Amino acid sequence: DQQVKQNSPSLSVQEGRISILNCDYTNSMFDYFLWYKKYPAEGPTFLISISSIKDKNEDGRFTVFLNKSAKHLSLHIVPSQPGDSAVYFCAASNTGNQFYFGTGTSLTVIP
Amino acid sequence: KAGVTQTPRYLIKTRGQQVTLSCSPISGHRSVSWYQQTPGQGLQFLFEYFSETQRNKGNFPGRFSGRQFSNSRSEMNVSTLELGDSALYLCASSPHGNQPQHFGDGTRLSIL
Repeated sequence: DQQVKQNSPSLSVQEGRISILNCDYTNSMFDYFLWYKKYPAEGPTFLISISSIKDKNEDGRFTVFLNKSAKHLSLHIVPSQPGDSAVYFCAASNTGNQFYFGTGTSLTVIP
Repeated sequence: KAGVTQTPRYLIKTRGQQVTLSCSPISGHRSVSWYQQTPGQGLQFLFEYFSETQRNKGNFPGRFSGRQFSNSRSEMNVSTLELGDSALYLCASSPHGNQPQHFGDGTRLSIL
């Protein structure tokens, strides 16, 4: 049973434009959410996180939005750069010790 | 600061064999988690160890086991290997849990 879902397996965006990656979850007890980026042949790298007491968190070009009522979070990348091309995973936790991951969205930024 | 180190990087086994994978976390990190990544399934949580104790376990059969040593290094063992165990196995560490995890580059296990 997939508790965290990323329904778009892939996304293509022009360089300089906004990339929006989406993630839905089913467990209302989740209180901590993260985004990771993964390049081929490497492990995932932490990008940005948000706790359930917030609805937005920014870090440079990356912003994560959380909509608890819709059980939805999104990652915005502005402006998108070719180096952002990677697979992005969202993850959620309700105990802090076990994280549930989505299946990933492959982002391609076209120069 | 050295990152999370997983050995070996690649492994080929046959059905019925067993395998042990190793993970050295970042120095000072006491929480170590293991994940299985297969195409289309994302990262599936296997288990998490903290101070040599398993705190959480995912929905995997008992053929999958692990342990953590006093220096926080961890091993994962899979017995009676099946074709479906072919996957990338990732190890991640964090200081305590409830924090972003740092991942190793994984062990690619292929079952023939």
